[in-house]
Amino acid sequence: AQSVTQLDSQVPVFEEAPVELRCNYSSSVSVYLFWYVQYPNQGLQLLLKYLSGSTLVKGINGFEAEFNKSQTSFHLRKPSVHISDTAEYFCAVTYTGFQKLVFGTGTRLLVSP
Amino acid sequence: EAQVTQNPRYLITVTGKKLTVTCSQNMNHEYMSWYRQDPGLGLRQIYYSMNVEVTDKGDVPEGYKVSRKEKRNFPLILESPSPNQTSLYFCASSSQGAVGYTFGSGTRLTVV
Repeated sequence: AQSVTQLDSQVPVFEEAPVELRCNYSSSVSVYLFWYVQYPNQGLQLLLKYLSGSTLVKGINGFEAEFNKSQTSFHLRKPSVHISDTAEYFCAVTYTGFQKLVFGTGTRLLVSP
Repeated sequence: EAQVTQNPRYLITVTGKKLTVTCSQNMNHEYMSWYRQDPGLGLRQIYYSMNVEVTDKGDVPEGYKVSRKEKRNFPLILESPSPNQTSLYFCASSSQGAVGYTFGSGTRLTVV
């Protein structure tokens, strides 16, 4: 069965510092990977997705993620965070030909001045 | 504007009183799904639908019903709500062949 692990429930960081949010998945077949962001009291917004091709994926708001098949990871990075990046971030996986998204438990990014 | 619309955004109800949360999408998507979000658990799928009149259980279907009579609508029905169904609910849709969902803004349900 598919599963997604987000090891960090909360990541505090200072403004303009770099950040990495970790995501590991388990699957025996080809996968599609996603990062969603949820701002306070809002719905889910797609940040970026990996379907195939280049393992480095660029998304909105300066975020990027790298797909590493050997380590079954899809970590999210941003070189310099802003206060407005404070939100909860969800990693999700689905496998080829199927529409079910399996989510991790989320990582709350707290950016302070 | 392409979107998934859920109503209501907030709902407080009493145990046992039947309720329906509506979901509508204007993108002609085949796939629709309901998720619930709980602290520390992430989002878990309740039910999904691959097309009109085709629905199936997700990971946490107990206590919920769905129907898909029209392509654009996918209501979530709680016949007899209980306090453990207090949660944040999201509806989502996706087109066949595309990968990844578009989510609604969520419905925060409190059952007292």
